[in-house]
Amino acid sequence: QVQLQQSGPGLVKPSQTLSLTCAISGDSVSSSSAAWNWIRQSPSRGLEWLGRTYYRSKWYNDYAVFVKSRTTINPDTSKNQFSLQLNSVIPEDTAVYYCARDSLLTGDLAFDIWGQGTMVTVSS
Amino acid sequence: QSALTQPASVSGSPGQSITISCTGTSSDVGGYNYVSWYQQHPGKAPKLMIYDVSNRPSGVSNRFSGSKSGNTASLTISGLQAEDEADYYCSSYTSSSPLVVFGGGTKLTVL
Repeated sequence: QVQLQQSGPGLVKPSQTLSLTCAISGDSVSSSSAAWNWIRQSPSRGLEWLGRTYYRSKWYNDYAVFVKSRTTINPDTSKNQFSLQLNSVIPEDTAVYYCARDSLLTGDLAFDIWGQGTMVTVSS
Repeated sequence: QSALTQPASVSGSPGQSITISCTGTSSDVGGYNYVSWYQQHPGKAPKLMIYDVSNRPSGVSNRFSGSKSGNTASLTISGLQAEDEADYYCSSYTSSSPLVVFGGGTKLTVL
């Protein structure tokens, strides 16, 4: 079955870059019927979709406008994974970060497979 | 404040049915049939229970059903079981950024 395995640091200093990776097994980051998303969850802001990358004859990215200027989501086809980079982090970026798949089989932007979550704290 | 409005909590006894509402606008819930529902147990990732308003992914119990009327979507759980106690979140595609918005979550307590 499809699984997503997240990795990355749990503590990031303010103004630095948050970097997380999501390794895919059982599917392909280059699949033409899936998209690969990052979502975060905090008590104060709830669930927030950050963005996604997907392949439809070429690579596309969509980002939430509130993080677009600070965010990059990249696929890595050689390792079958994708990553999140969030620059210039502030304490309000503290959250549990999830990677998630949305598949054409379950409708657009319905997240059927999730990573285990990574608690990221922004603090000096 | 979340884009979609859900009640903070609902409760029911085993065997009963409960319904959780999710209210948005014509730019999200009311405008598209792309409403999803997620179940989240403490310390776990959300689990997709309903997509495209009323469709169940493979493996999800038919005790879970979804519907929509106007700008409000609903999740109904019938035959409540202790294992259904969790937080439930709705989401919807939206015509503006971000592409998807979530509700604030509803805590279901099985009495």
